[in-house]
Amino acid sequence: NAGVTQTPKFHILKIGQSMTLQCTQDMNHNYMYWYRQDPGMGLKLIYYSVGAGITDKGEVPNGYNVSRSTTEDFPLRLELAAPSQTSVYFCASSPGRNTEAFFGQGTRLTVV
Amino acid sequence: AQKVTQAQTEISVVEKEDVTLDCVYETRDTTYYLFWYKQPPSGELVFLIRRNSFDEQNEISGRYSWNFQKSTSSFNFTITASQVVDSAVYFCALSGVGGGADGLTFGKGTHLIIQP
Repeated sequence: NAGVTQTPKFHILKIGQSMTLQCTQDMNHNYMYWYRQDPGMGLKLIYYSVGAGITDKGEVPNGYNVSRSTTEDFPLRLELAAPSQTSVYFCASSPGRNTEAFFGQGTRLTVV
Repeated sequence: AQKVTQAQTEISVVEKEDVTLDCVYETRDTTYYLFWYKQPPSGELVFLIRRNSFDEQNEISGRYSWNFQKSTSSFNFTITASQVVDSAVYFCALSGVGGGADGLTFGKGTHLIIQP
């Protein structure tokens, strides 16, 4: 059972480029989330989804987009990357609202 | 708006000492859930506990215990007889059932260092 899988683990992006962070889960969870973690700042919610075809903004959505075409996959798209998007990105899933969230290993993204 | 405050940025203790990590929260929801997660140096987030706002009983799991006090809006975490493997960043988090966004509101974390 793989749980939540994120790819890539590390990436360096140039300013203005775009990329997609991949996230897939094999636990058939309806709820999926994207967080970013900056040093000393905890994790902040970027976007979340309560099921296939349904997404909504979290606390820090600017500069990002998501889609949820299947239960398993929840990719995060960065358009026109900026240095402020340098961070560690975590994808998570949970079976329901307010339940335990299972996190992926994270993607460390550097924008230069 | 929800908020979680972990005032202790870093704590350093010697192995076998007991240590308490503080967590204070703010929410307007009458029903809410509190969590603790551990982030070891390898970087992944490990779930430790979930409590709902109606259950104020303290919980013990091995060397770990949690003290939930609604009167002071606190959900503190104690490690008894600490070990080097307990070294990690610990996050307290909150989620509610009000009309706001789903997902967890995290504190900034407490970096716990256990010295041998």
